[in-house]
Amino acid sequence: SQKIEQNSEALNIQEGKTATLTCNYTNYSPAYLQWYRQDPGRGPVFLLLIRENEKEKRKERLKVTFDTTLKQSLFHITASQPADSATYLCARPDGSGNTGKLIFGQGTTLQVKP
Amino acid sequence: DTAVSQTPKYLVTQMGNDKSIKCEQNLGHDTMYWYKQDSKKFLKIMFSYNNKELIINETVPNRFSPKSPDKAHLNLHINSLELGDSAVYFCASSQGQGSYEQYFGPGTRLTVT
Repeated sequence: SQKIEQNSEALNIQEGKTATLTCNYTNYSPAYLQWYRQDPGRGPVFLLLIRENEKEKRKERLKVTFDTTLKQSLFHITASQPADSATYLCARPDGSGNTGKLIFGQGTTLQVKP
Repeated sequence: DTAVSQTPKYLVTQMGNDKSIKCEQNLGHDTMYWYKQDSKKFLKIMFSYNNKELIINETVPNRFSPKSPDKAHLNLHINSLELGDSAVYFCASSQGQGSYEQYFGPGTRLTVT
């Protein structure tokens, strides 16, 4: 079965630095990966989608990469701010991806210190 | 302008009771989902509906029964609640099936005592 693995340990960084979060997947490469942000007590919020044929995707201070050789996606936040502190979830589609069924990782909690 | 709303936000009940959680989306989306997030924060899909048709039905106890009266609403009814049902339940919607981004509701924290 497909799995998504994220570092369950919290990531602590200093404000202004670049945060890099890792998402590893098993089995075959998915057609796409999605990244979400979740704040305590709230539902996940969609951030970015990257397709298998895309090496990199950017949105403002966010950048996502997709390496099918390493079976890995990296999520970068440049010039991090305390407001970026949250849990970040990586998700892959199950199977062909036609049903909308997503398999989520456990999430990595990012703490940005001022 | 709430996109995906759920009621109630908190639900505390005793074992054996039956309870329902309601979800509504005003985004005009065709697909809706129910997820369960346990104490370890894993978010797992339970059901999805597309235009009122059941698409995804994961291996969940048949005590859980979703109902979609129309494509803007997806409710979750749980019979004979058990301690292990305690979790946060999220409703979500997307424009359609496939690679569309999903919009999540605020969650319903269910505590079974």
